[in-house]
Amino acid sequence: GAVVSQHPSWVICKSGTSVKIECRSLDFQATTMFWYRQFPKQSLMLMATSNEGSKATYEQGVEKDKFLINHASLTLSTLTVTSAHPEDSSFYICSARDLWTGSNYGYTFGSGTRLTVV
Amino acid sequence: DQQVKQNSPSLSVQEGRISILNCDYTNSMFDYFLWYKKYPAEGPTFLISISSIKDKNEDGRFTVFLNKSAKHLSLHIVPSQPGDSAVYFCAASAGTGNQFYFGTGTSLTVIP
Repeated sequence: GAVVSQHPSWVICKSGTSVKIECRSLDFQATTMFWYRQFPKQSLMLMATSNEGSKATYEQGVEKDKFLINHASLTLSTLTVTSAHPEDSSFYICSARDLWTGSNYGYTFGSGTRLTVV
Repeated sequence: DQQVKQNSPSLSVQEGRISILNCDYTNSMFDYFLWYKKYPAEGPTFLISISSIKDKNEDGRFTVFLNKSAKHLSLHIVPSQPGDSAVYFCAASAGTGNQFYFGTGTSLTVIP
């Protein structure tokens, strides 16, 4: 089945530095990838939708200059948290969409990245 | 505005009994629904799905029921097992290829 690889699985960084998270579709081409954020005991909040070769579409309230998304190829999307602050500490998850087929409608999640900003 | 809601943040069930997780939505355009299971610090794992042309879909111990008029779906797990203890999210999408909106999750604990 479709596999989405997300790296790193966890990262600790100092306040003010930038962190890059990668999301790769391993055995399929993903024209669209989604980035989510989850706070403790809360739902998965969609941050942005990333389309290959075009600018990402950000959800309301998400700072596009802070959360830079690049989807340069059909198998790779990256999320860069710039000038990270402790309030950016969270669990970030990507998902990639294959063709609208299969019982999961082609929607597969990565394993997530735990970001801690100190 | 939360378009997909799971009003029960937690649920405890004895092993072997039925677990029923509920999900309500507000957008009548939603026609594809997914259930995911999530362990802490891991990505969600797909469980089962249903489209609006059906009112029931079954896969092993998992059954999803859809009531379109009530904008309500539920996930039944029977028999429940301790390994089912996790957070369960429902998600809904309007039309093929669009993003899924997630509910707030229900934490299920199956007591041995």
